[in-house]
Amino acid sequence: SQQGEEDPQALSIQEGENATMNCSYKTSINNLQWYRQNSGRGLVHLILIRSNEREKHSGRLRVTLDTSKKSSSLLITASRAADTASYFCATDAGNTGKLIFGQGTTLQVKP
Amino acid sequence: DARVTQTPRDKVTEMGQEVTMRCQPILGHNTVFWYRQTMMQGLELLAYFRNRAPLDDSGMPKDRFSAEMPDATLATLKIQPSEPRDSAVYFCASGTALAPQYFGPGTRLTVL
Repeated sequence: SQQGEEDPQALSIQEGENATMNCSYKTSINNLQWYRQNSGRGLVHLILIRSNEREKHSGRLRVTLDTSKKSSSLLITASRAADTASYFCATDAGNTGKLIFGQGTTLQVKP
Repeated sequence: DARVTQTPRDKVTEMGQEVTMRCQPILGHNTVFWYRQTMMQGLELLAYFRNRAPLDDSGMPKDRFSAEMPDATLATLKIQPSEPRDSAVYFCASGTALAPQYFGPGTRLTVL
């Protein structure tokens, strides 16, 4: 069964706008990761946030984690057409490296 | 630029045939994962290995699927016999215990 659930399932925005995706999970975690998948390609790791962290930045990406609500959000600022992809959150519950992926959010950025 | 490689990239076969997918993890990574992705089920973990030993294959149909790591540079996923419901994209990923996973480009399997 899926651990993470992303919301929304699909998002369409104009270039330059910000995109926010949310992820909820069910059990305690050690870390949460976000991945991007371009159509027909493998997943690419974007950012990892540990359970004792609340916010993390990487370039135009900002990830927050609220362990009390068992939720995380990914914010992409000043979006570009090249950001068009599916975005997945994944949780590592046991510090084993084993990840459980959500169903993903499909983001379309229109030029 | 170290990458996970997978072969073949595409495979079309007929029901009942054996399918073998291969993965070369990134050198130095001691954990290898096999995933299956479909529209209906999303991304499912089939099996994973650490230091070549299988740690968890609970996501894999045991009667027809098998996964092995003959050596540190090769992981294989075999389906025998294949069925149309096995049609999916199969991804291999490698990493270490507390680090991100690096995914290969996938093998798109179509079973007719």
